[in-house]
Amino acid sequence: AQSVTQLGSHVSVSEGALVLLRCNYSSSVPPYLFWYVQYPNQGLQLLLKYTTGATLVKGINGFEAEFKKSETSFHLTKPSAHMSDAAEYFCAVSGGSNYKLTFGKGTLLTVNP
Amino acid sequence: SAVISQKPSRDICQRGTSLTIQCQVDSQVTMMFWYRQQPGQSLTLIATANQGSEATYESGFVIDKFPISRPNLTFSTLTVSNMSPEDSSIYLCSDRQQAYNEQFFGPGTRLTVL
Repeated sequence: AQSVTQLGSHVSVSEGALVLLRCNYSSSVPPYLFWYVQYPNQGLQLLLKYTTGATLVKGINGFEAEFKKSETSFHLTKPSAHMSDAAEYFCAVSGGSNYKLTFGKGTLLTVNP
Repeated sequence: SAVISQKPSRDICQRGTSLTIQCQVDSQVTMMFWYRQQPGQSLTLIATANQGSEATYESGFVIDKFPISRPNLTFSTLTVSNMSPEDSSIYLCSDRQQAYNEQFFGPGTRLTVL
């Protein structure tokens, strides 16, 4: 069984400020972890993923996330927010040979000028 | 990454009717999936579309309501049957790129049931 908890359904930051979106997971097997972004009226775009190896993973648009097994976390960060980052962000987990993705409820990021 | 297209992109349907959504991938893929995203909600997996065999449905979803076809490795359809307003959602298909342990999503079909 697997699950994802995203803390904060809505995060608001100022342009240029640090973005931190929180994700905690539960998985009975070593997890694969993903962050997706959904812009208004669009499908999901893969930002980054962790499968094995380096625990700090870099994605597109300057985002990165760190897999912390001891904390069962996979938080998404970006040093400096841009207006174009405003979107819904989803954390997802899959485990082992079970490739089915389980999504968190999503975090809406608002970037203020 | 594979390019995934869906038809229609949106539709408005009457209660009691059915709608078939098409998903086309530009390369052969082993696994295809169908998800539902209800208004303001996250994504929920409906089923895994298996090539040449019956789809595998998740708890709470049944074949009579959501029949799925997958005639080949690049194409799948999802039918939403006997629709009610509660079926108003975005329906997304995805494929799994096995070599990269990634899933990519189509743009979605926005369904409104009146």
